[in-house]
Amino acid sequence: AQKITQTQPGMFVQEKEAVTLDCTYDTSDPSYGLFWYKQPSSGEMIFLIYQGSYDQQNATEGRYSLNFQKARKSANLVISASQLGDSAMYFCAMREAGGSQGNLIFGKGTKLSVKP
Amino acid sequence: NAGVTQTPKFRILKIGQSMTLQCTQDMNHNYMYWYRQDPGMGLKLIYYSVGAGITDKGEVPNGYNVSRSTTEDFPLRLELAAPSQTSVYFCASSSGQGVSYEQYFGPGTRLTVT
Repeated sequence: AQKITQTQPGMFVQEKEAVTLDCTYDTSDPSYGLFWYKQPSSGEMIFLIYQGSYDQQNATEGRYSLNFQKARKSANLVISASQLGDSAMYFCAMREAGGSQGNLIFGKGTKLSVKP
Repeated sequence: NAGVTQTPKFRILKIGQSMTLQCTQDMNHNYMYWYRQDPGMGLKLIYYSVGAGITDKGEVPNGYNVSRSTTEDFPLRLELAAPSQTSVYFCASSSGQGVSYEQYFGPGTRLTVT
């Protein structure tokens, strides 16, 4: 079973509008962290936002916010006021406290295209 | 600040050739990782290291080897390259193994095996 599921292969949004990118996860570990990364066409991985499983409030970083619904095991990324530079691949990832490797487990990503 | 650097950025290999992908970080991080990203997919862990001299396999280690002689360097060796190893390779490092520790990624190496 996939541990991170991103069901939207591609999304379009009009410039200046908000967009939500979906992410669901599967873990039995009570302690875990959820990350979102942006990968522009140039290829680098850019960290956007982090949410811990014990965090009481949803994480926010500038125009990025994370809609964390623990009972539903979802961690959707919300981008407000989209900009043309937001066009990129977006990856949801998880790290489990019990994971011996400490690595991130990635979803397949969502390609976001911002239209002018 | 250099962060995590990778060389080369691009490489084309013939089937059966070998090469080493270099990764260096200047943040004194103990934890280092090699991932591969196949087209249209997320990243998958190849090997990781929790400190100099300590390495272990990840999810997709076949066809690769690593070493960690220093804290800074974590090279990935491809022996007998195969077309299935055509991918983008990312090196990453982290100061800790806990759930909240951010991983810092290098710019990636795009490898084509023909």
